[in-house]
Amino acid sequence: QQKVQQSPESLSVPEGGMASFNCTSSDRNFQYFWWYRQHSGEGPKALMSIFSDGDKKEGRFTAHLNKASLHVSLHIRDSQPSDSALYFCAATRNNNNRIFFGDGTQLVVKP
Amino acid sequence: GGIITQTPKFLIGQEGQKLTLKCQQNFNHDTMYWYRQDSGKGLRLIYYSITENDLQKGDLSEGYDASREKKSSFSLTVTSAQKNEMAVFLCASSMGTGVYAEQFFGPGTRLTVL
Repeated sequence: QQKVQQSPESLSVPEGGMASFNCTSSDRNFQYFWWYRQHSGEGPKALMSIFSDGDKKEGRFTAHLNKASLHVSLHIRDSQPSDSALYFCAATRNNNNRIFFGDGTQLVVKP
Repeated sequence: GGIITQTPKFLIGQEGQKLTLKCQQNFNHDTMYWYRQDSGKGLRLIYYSITENDLQKGDLSEGYDASREKKSSFSLTVTSAQKNEMAVFLCASSMGTGVYAEQFFGPGTRLTVL
């Protein structure tokens, strides 16, 4: 069973709109999360990490973590066409050498 | 900053052929990874290496071999290419392991098997 589940599979928002992504870990040991973004033809690049309950804001990006439910979300306000990409949630744990990626959410921001 | 270089960028092979992909990083990172990505979907870990001369299997190691020749380089071999196989192979590196270890990715090698 996959350790990280993401929804939705794809998302379309208008330019200037809010894009929201969801992610859940199925393993209670994996409660440290990263968000990565991959533009077409490139490798993924880390956007932000979140390890504590609550919100973490970096510019237009806000992540929210609820450790009790192992649910993490990512919100992009004022979405731009350049935000169009594949967004991955990834989970890891202490004393572990690796990280587990979800299947990703494809975002399209329409001008 | 640093960079991860993957060669070749495109690789076309024949069924049954042994194919080798190469990855170099100049971050001076200890840990390196190989992932496979199908059809723009999720990343599946093939092999990783936490230090020079170390090799750890991931979830998809069957059909692949890997070699960490030195700290800066990590190679992946497809032992017998499967007909009609198409995938992107991504190399990544990180400073150590653990929750704080951000992974840095290369641009990928795109494999097509005829």
